[in-house]
Amino acid sequence: QVQLQESGPGLVKSSQTLSLTCSVSGASISSGGYYWSWIRQSPGKGLEWIGYIYDNGGTYYNPSLKNLVTISADTSQRQFSLRLSSVTAADTAVYYCARGILALGRGTYFDSWGQGTLLTVSS
Amino acid sequence: EVVLTQSPAILSLSPGERATLSCRASQSVRPYLVWYQQRPGQAPRLLIYDTSNRATGVPARFSGSGSGTDFTLTISSLEPEDFAVYFCQQRTSWPLTFGGGTKVEI
Repeated sequence: QVQLQESGPGLVKSSQTLSLTCSVSGASISSGGYYWSWIRQSPGKGLEWIGYIYDNGGTYYNPSLKNLVTISADTSQRQFSLRLSSVTAADTAVYYCARGILALGRGTYFDSWGQGTLLTVSS
Repeated sequence: EVVLTQSPAILSLSPGERATLSCRASQSVRPYLVWYQQRPGQAPRLLIYDTSNRATGVPARFSGSGSGTDFTLTISSLEPEDFAVYFCQQRTSWPLTFGGGTKVEI
C-alpha cells in the first residue's frame, strides 16, 4: 500500500522560496502510470492543483502558478519536491502530495494522499 | 479553466437519512467527474471516479450519477462517519479543478 508523507519548514517569510518534499513508500515514483502531484488547500481558495511530475520526469503546472513553481524528483530517494518562489500570504495553505492515476481520457484523479503539511507565510 | 459549483454549501441531516449532493460544471466534463470525502484534520479520500465508479473499499451506500455538466453524489443512508466535507473534481481538462465543497453535518 502506497504511503506519502510531506515535510517542510512550516513557516516561510514573504518573498522567499518555499520547498516541500514528499517521501513515498510502497511504490516507485519511476514506475509508469502515475502523476506525482502537489495540491494545496486554503480557506480562501479551497483545493487547488499545483502540478505534477510524471515517471519520465515530465512536468506540468497550473498556469496560474506556472512561472513560480518547480516540481522535481529524486527517484533514488523515492521523493519528489515542490519549490514555489516569491511567496506571499496568499500561499498560506495546507500542502498535500498525492498520487494521480493514469486513466483513459484526460487528466487524473488522486487515489492516495499525504496527511498534508501546513505552510504559513509571514510578512 | 472548468469551474465546478457545488450545492448546497451545507447539508444538515440526521443519521439514516439520504444525502444528495450536487456538482455543476461550467462546461461539459463528459464522464470525468470525481468525488472525494474529507473528514476534519484529514486529507481528502477518493470516493467515486468517472461519475459512478466506487473506489476500493468505499461502501455501497455511496453512489454517483450524472453526465455532461450536472453530477450527483448520493449517500443512501447516512452513517455517523459520513458527516464530512465532500468535494468534486474534474479531469477532463488541464488545469484540474475542484469544487468548493459541501459540508454534510448533523
